Amino acid sequence: IAGITQAPTSQILAAGRRMTLRCTQDMRHNAMYWYRQDLGLGLRLIHYSNTAGTTGKGEVPDGYSVSRANTDDFPLTLASAVPSQTSVYFCASSDSGAATTDTQYFGPGTRLTVL
Amino acid sequence: GQNIDQPTEMTATEGAIVQINCTYQTSGFNGLFWYQQHAGEAPTFLSYNVLDGLEEKGRFSSFLSRSKGYSYLLLKELQMKDSASYLCAVLDSNYQLIWGAGTKLIIKP
Repeated sequence: IAGITQAPTSQILAAGRRMTLRCTQDMRHNAMYWYRQDLGLGLRLIHYSNTAGTTGKGEVPDGYSVSRANTDDFPLTLASAVPSQTSVYFCASSDSGAATTDTQYFGPGTRLTVL
Repeated sequence: GQNIDQPTEMTATEGAIVQINCTYQTSGFNGLFWYQQHAGEAPTFLSYNVLDGLEEKGRFSSFLSRSKGYSYLLLKELQMKDSASYLCAVLDSNYQLIWGAGTKLIIKP
């Protein structure tokens, strides 16, 4: 079944540790996104990639990095986790460009707790 | 700044109709989306409006007025499974999605 997968589903992490959240899509979408969702704040964009080989910063990029080596994968790395990065992280993808609606489709999410 | 406003929470009765409003102020407009998000799950796409008017899709309809910066999502014949958060999002002039905080809809029997 086509879609987006994320791993891990959930993780408890000690502060200061490095962590990579994985995201893979098989829809051949050119654009991919990482969001965090915190209670009462809605979805906030961390980083995005409009096409393989390019990335951009969203609303809350500090403390996070991404790479886009190919179309399918878009990992998110926390270099040194802090408790304020406790959140639910969603990866999304869209088929962006002319004659598309840029509809974003979401992965199931990763629930991350930093202690 | 860019802003999307929607009520924090609404309550409705099973079988009834509910309208969830969304007002927006964004730098440009390239479409408005509604997503449904059940607790503990990912957002799922419901509707997309780019032209003024009403788009109907089964029990759900979405309306857009670009001149007023306003949209609503109309849910008919409410079912218990419609209990969820409903997220309004606008695609701005840079093709970035600006998200509202969501409206939590509680359905009572």
